[in-house]
Amino acid sequence: AQTVTQSQPEMSVQEAETVTLSCTYDTSESNYYLFWYKQPPSRQMILVIRQEAYKQQNATENRFSVNFQKAAKSFSLKISDSQLGDTAMYFCAFMKGNFNKFYFGSGTKLNVKP
Amino acid sequence: NAGVTQTPKFQVLKTGQSMTLQCAQDMNHEYMSWYRQDPGMGLRLIHYSVGAGITDQGEVPNGYNVSRSTTEDFPLRLLSAAPSQTSVYFCASRPLAGGFLETQYFGPGTRLLVL
Repeated sequence: AQTVTQSQPEMSVQEAETVTLSCTYDTSESNYYLFWYKQPPSRQMILVIRQEAYKQQNATENRFSVNFQKAAKSFSLKISDSQLGDTAMYFCAFMKGNFNKFYFGSGTKLNVKP
Repeated sequence: NAGVTQTPKFQVLKTGQSMTLQCAQDMNHEYMSWYRQDPGMGLRLIHYSVGAGITDQGEVPNGYNVSRSTTEDFPLRLLSAAPSQTSVYFCASRPLAGGFLETQYFGPGTRLLVL
């Protein structure tokens, strides 16, 4: 079975600062994909960034980047220049190589303070 | 496109009652799935489907049934509701052709309370 662990239930960051959210996972799969989703108070799930496990280069999307450490099974999310609109729950997710099953972590609640 | 729609938005049930949560998408996506989200936990996969007539179980399928008679619709049935099924339910869909590169689209969620 796959497990995804987010050890930080809640974090705070000042506007314009940088914050890193942690995620570790456990799998015996060799082919898989990793994601970060954002869930604002509206409850809508929004894809933030994704990473293919066979790519060593870390994915980036504007202010969002990941630190993917395959051997350590770690997939952290860095948010630079934090904005008030980044306030949300952030979920780390794992997808097996057959693309059929997603596994989500328990989430980190991020509060960006003005 | 309306995207992924879910009805109802909120429902209260008594223990033992049955109900169907509706999910529809107008993007012609082959893959559809149901998740539940409980406090302090992430989304957990209940059932999924890769096309009309094809369904399979996820992590937490017990107490739920699904069927997929059309590409557009993927209803989730609770045959005999239990308080442990109190949760927020999300439906999601995505195309299969692009594999990993395809974005998964989520519905707005249905909040279910079982008394």
